[in-house]
Amino acid sequence: ETGVTQTPRHLVMGMTNKKSLKCEQHLGHNAMYWYKQSAKKPLELMFVYNFKEQTENNSVPSRFSPECPNSSHLFLHLHTLQPEDSALYLCASSQDHQNKNIQYFGAGTRLSVL
Amino acid sequence: AQSVTQLGSHVSVSEGALVLLRCNYSSSVPPYLFWYVQYPNQGLQLLLKYTSAATLVKGINGFEAEFKKSETSFHLTKPSAHMSDAAEYFCAVSAGGGNKLTFGTGTQLKVEL
Repeated sequence: ETGVTQTPRHLVMGMTNKKSLKCEQHLGHNAMYWYKQSAKKPLELMFVYNFKEQTENNSVPSRFSPECPNSSHLFLHLHTLQPEDSALYLCASSQDHQNKNIQYFGAGTRLSVL
Repeated sequence: AQSVTQLGSHVSVSEGALVLLRCNYSSSVPPYLFWYVQYPNQGLQLLLKYTSAATLVKGINGFEAEFKKSETSFHLTKPSAHMSDAAEYFCAVSAGGGNKLTFGTGTQLKVEL
């Protein structure tokens, strides 16, 4: 148990669906991250939030829409996804956005787009 | 810019043998370096980190890594492999600002009897 909880663990959706991934951290951290993990590729940083403000959008398509209502919660809203978006989506948190800080990861949401 | 190269996408060792997983980094500023492990159906768990203190870093589960600036390397070692070490291992670098981790492609470690 890392203190970072992601729900759901598995999600299957059609290309016309709208769904949301949820991440909650119980570590008192102020920075939160979304990563995409695809087979045969390095983890890709998608978004960074620091004190609820988005500080990084790594050229992510607009069909992915993050939301950070407070420092403990992070959402990833999904709409009109493509099959190539199927992947493991990982959430992480850290004390703040200083480089030396450890990022703690959730177990991920396995997304399949049909 | 920062990057990480992990040599060998798959490594197989016998139980009790030395584990050596290779990681080379590229960074224009002094880096922070991390090793994470991922077990099946789980997220990433930190093994150890280098943050400019001692160059030999000890982590959990008997793993250690040595930062060698001249070789731009941060290889992960364990003297004696255990079956429970079978997992995927990721090297990552963070440099510049914003705690943006850049990961390698991972090394799948297999431990055989």
